Parts: sequence; C-alpha cells; structure tokens
Amino acid sequence: DGGITQSPKYLFRKEGQNVTLSCEQNLNHDAMYWYRQDPGQGLRLIYYSQIVNDFQKGDIAEGYSVSREKKESFPLTVTSAQKNPTAFYLCASSIWLAGVADTQYFGPGTRLTVL
Amino acid sequence: GQNIDQPTEMTATEGAIVQINCTYQTSGFNGLFWYQQHAGEAPTFLSYNVLDGLEEKGRFSSFLSRSKGYSYLLLKELQMKDSASYLCAVRTLPGAGSYQLTFGKGTKLSVIP
Repeated sequence: DGGITQSPKYLFRKEGQNVTLSCEQNLNHDAMYWYRQDPGQGLRLIYYSQIVNDFQKGDIAEGYSVSREKKESFPLTVTSAQKNPTAFYLCASSIWLAGVADTQYFGPGTRLTVL
Repeated sequence: GQNIDQPTEMTATEGAIVQINCTYQTSGFNGLFWYQQHAGEAPTFLSYNVLDGLEEKGRFSSFLSRSKGYSYLLLKELQMKDSASYLCAVRTLPGAGSYQLTFGKGTKLSVIP
C-alpha cells in the first residue's frame, strides 16, 4: 500500500532540546511539505521541497530545519530556537507538474509537546 | 497576501443537507481544494475546483465562482461520521516555478441525530 508515514505519533521533549520528526512516502511524489497546526488555526507551511537536495522556506520557517537527501524522506528538526514548538505537525506530499503542485496528501501527523 | 474566510462552526441534522461556504481574496488564483479532518487526524482530500461550476462526488459536491471569490462544499444525506472539520485551501502562483497553498481555519461541522 502506498502512503505517507510519520513517526512517532506522540512526542514529548524538554525545553531547550532539538527533536527530529520523521516523514516517509512511497507514492513516488516529487514534492514534500511540512505544516504546523495549532488549535483554531489553519495549517501553516513551514518548509517544502520540490526535488531532492532542494527545499524552500514557508511562512513560519524560523526555528526549524529540514533536509531532502532522498526522494522518499523529508525529516523536520524542531530546534531549541523555536519559541512555541508545541503543536500538531503534518507532513504532505504531491506530484509536481510543470512548476505546479498537484493535490497534496497528508501523513497521520505527529503531536509534539514541550514540557 | 491571501485571505480565506469560513464559518467557524456549523450544526446539522443527520440525513439533512449542509452547505459550507468559503470566500477568498487572492491574486494569481490557481485552484481551490476542500479537505476533511477528523479530530486528531490528518486532513483527507475531498475535492478540487479550478474552473467555475459544480464538481460532484457521491454525497459531496463543491462549487466555485472565481469572479466572486467564492466556493462551497455541499454535503448531502448527512451521516454521523461526517462530523469533522472541513478545510478550504486556495492555491496561487506568486511567481514562475513556485506556488503557495493557503488554508482557511476550517469549519467544524457537528451532525446531530
């Protein structure tokens, strides 16, 4: 079965620690994305990547970092510089056609809580 | 920038029809998506409109009017499992080779017996 996996589902970290969230897809999609969702807020784009070894900042990239060494994988690191990291993090992927992102499909999400 | 408005909450009765509206203000419009999100879960794709008119998919339909910056999602024969948040998202092309997908805050639909 093709799909997007994120791990872990729940993650707790102490303030001041970096943490990496995993995202893997076997849909052969070119583009991958990271969003953050807070209660009562829309999804906000953190980073996205159109192709391997390339990625772009979204609207709220400060305090986050990513890598795209393989087409299937797009891990997100939440650094200690992120002031309010507690949130629901969603990874998505899509086909990228002629410079346009097609429909995005989402992974199950990781709920990060900073203690 | 983009501005997307949806009602925060709606309530409807099982078996009824409900319409969830979405209005947007944007430049470089390149499509509108509707997603369903159950509490604590990921959004799942429902529909996509890029041209004016109605797209029907079973119990769900989505309508777009580009001149009015308006879309709606129509849910027929409501079932209890339709209780969820419905997210409207607008895709734009701010520049060659790049894109933006902006989400509204979502409409929480409660279906009651």
